[in-house]
Amino acid sequence: NAGVTQTPKFRVLKTGQSMTLLCAQDMNHEYMYWYRQDPGMGLRLIHYSVGEGTTAKGEVPDGYNVSRLKKQNFLLGLESAAPSQTSVYFCASSYSEGPGQPQHFGDGTRLSIL
Amino acid sequence: RKEVEQDPGPFNVPEGATVAFNCTYSNSASQSFFWYRQDCRKEPKLLMSVYSSGNEDGRFTAQLNRASQYISLLIRDSKLSDSATYLCVKGGGNKLTFGTGTQLKVEL
Repeated sequence: NAGVTQTPKFRVLKTGQSMTLLCAQDMNHEYMYWYRQDPGMGLRLIHYSVGEGTTAKGEVPDGYNVSRLKKQNFLLGLESAAPSQTSVYFCASSYSEGPGQPQHFGDGTRLSIL
Repeated sequence: RKEVEQDPGPFNVPEGATVAFNCTYSNSASQSFFWYRQDCRKEPKLLMSVYSSGNEDGRFTAQLNRASQYISLLIRDSKLSDSATYLCVKGGGNKLTFGTGTQLKVEL
């Protein structure tokens, strides 16, 4: 049971570099989410998607872009990485039925921007 | 004011103790509530949903008080393996809002 898979697990970037984080889920979930988690801040929603081809902004979207070309994949892009984007990034997915469905998380990507 | 507020702890308790965490939330329109558990450097995992009538899962009991806008989690007979951070979560619409977590350390 793969569930939610994130790649890569770790990455170090230099300021100004770009990269894409990949999230894949095999549970046929409609909804997918990208969060960042920083010490003392808790999980903060970056962007989310309620279905293939749709995306929406979350609480902290600046500096990130996303795409949901296939139902099972949700990509998070950093066009020009900044040290403030050093964080642990989690992807999550959930069913669409009902309000506030519980989300299932990937095991995270630890990203450092130098 | 944060939408979900928790005491960060840490709560240091001996093995076998009973410990309770509370969490307060704003926005009475919130429709669903959960407790998640997060181990150090791991992903959050759903511990249990929270219902107004109160619900129990083994040693864990969750309670929701909509009038006072708080959620509680009670852990009985604490185990060393219960050591983790417990996240209070509220849901509404398409999104969940997470508290910053309460750290529990169960000691011998």
